[in-house]
Amino acid sequence: QKEVEQNSGPLSVPEGAIASLNCTYSDRGSQSFFWYRQYSGKSPELIMSIYSNGDKEDGRFTAQLNKASQYVSLLIRDSQPSDSATYLCAVNVANDYKLSFGAGTTVTVRA
Amino acid sequence: DAEITQSPRHKITETGRQVTLACHQTWNHNNMFWYRQDLGHGLRLIHYSYGVQDTNKGEVSDGYSVSRSNTEDLPLTLESAASSQTSVYFCASSQGGMGNEQFFGPGTRLTVL
Repeated sequence: QKEVEQNSGPLSVPEGAIASLNCTYSDRGSQSFFWYRQYSGKSPELIMSIYSNGDKEDGRFTAQLNKASQYVSLLIRDSQPSDSATYLCAVNVANDYKLSFGAGTTVTVRA
Repeated sequence: DAEITQSPRHKITETGRQVTLACHQTWNHNNMFWYRQDLGHGLRLIHYSYGVQDTNKGEVSDGYSVSRSNTEDLPLTLESAASSQTSVYFCASSQGGMGNEQFFGPGTRLTVL
């Protein structure tokens, strides 16, 4: 079992719709959870971090964390063509500074 | 502004040559990481360091080495480049503590012929 698994893509959504990305992790000791956005040919860019159960909103992005279910998600509201990218879920290794990354979900927002 | 830079951005080399990729950060972060990213494998950790003189192996460390002589730099050396090491290499850094957020450099695209 992979340490961090993301829903397989690609995910295609119409402009203005909600894109929903899911991630599960296996390490119950993990305390820090991140979403990175990576445009084609570019480096990963941190867009959201979440540490407590519940929702965290930042602009059009909402991260949701459920530690009991070992599940973290990212919602992108009012999707724009500029949101077309690969989204990486990252989870810290318990008692360590390392991160485990999922394989990524590619999102395409069609006009 | 603080940043993390990598050089060169593109490199073509031949099998068997030694190659060094540079990573420099001005965040004053204690932690630095090297990843490679290949289609179908995502980001894989090569080596990492939690401070000066500290280095550790990641999941794909064979054929690579690092050294940390100061806070700002973590160069990655390919001792004898192989075609299997053709990849995009990313350096990242983090302060540690509660956040653990890692910030990535722009990457180096390495081709080994």
